[in-house]
Amino acid sequence: GAGVSQSPSNKVTEKGKDVELRCDPISGHTALYWYRQSLGQGLEFLIYFQGNSAPDKSGLPSDRFSAERTGGSVSTLTIQRTQQEDSAVYLCASSRTPNTEAFFGQGTRLTVV
Amino acid sequence: EDQVTQSPEALRLQEGESSSLNCSYTVSGLRGLFWYRQDPGKGPEFLFTLYSAGEEKEKERLKATLTKKESFLHITAPKPEDSATYLCAVQAAPQGAQKLVFGQGTRLTINP
Repeated sequence: GAGVSQSPSNKVTEKGKDVELRCDPISGHTALYWYRQSLGQGLEFLIYFQGNSAPDKSGLPSDRFSAERTGGSVSTLTIQRTQQEDSAVYLCASSRTPNTEAFFGQGTRLTVV
Repeated sequence: EDQVTQSPEALRLQEGESSSLNCSYTVSGLRGLFWYRQDPGKGPEFLFTLYSAGEEKEKERLKATLTKKESFLHITAPKPEDSATYLCAVQAAPQGAQKLVFGQGTRLTINP
């Protein structure tokens, strides 16, 4: 595709439910990143993929958060037993190689009620 | 710990009034410094990458410069459509440290 695509754009979920957020990176981009942006806050790194491997998971806030990437392409971020503090915009980015500029999707706005 | 500090937090300018945004960084070896623009409700849009001190990049009314401790984003004769939040991020040099560390951003408003 022309850019990084994320779905859904918006997600409202009840506290305690599980959610899955999807990211389709730019075709051919080997590196993929997930970030979180809370209201009024900067971008917080969550996880980095190179191909299907995740050499850096250091930003995942708890074991309720997990992510996978398949076929060197699509990635899914899963949040189990959602809490209100999980409410944020989740942004995905991809880059052609790990050392080149990353291009972001439009984000998924998650609201936990 | 790698850190990025942007100033000012917010800046209001009149159309045509030039100014600069600052990004100070502390990093264990710099691999790259990135500038992004973010409009409300959208993801960050890539602007520039700078790799070494003394490097400069230009695009329309924007020019980014880099020293060993900070980067500046100069905006010349801005227009209302330049209003956005400008984000600075660094990527550290050690292998495996691929993540971008972002500053809090500068919210720029250009009044017509």
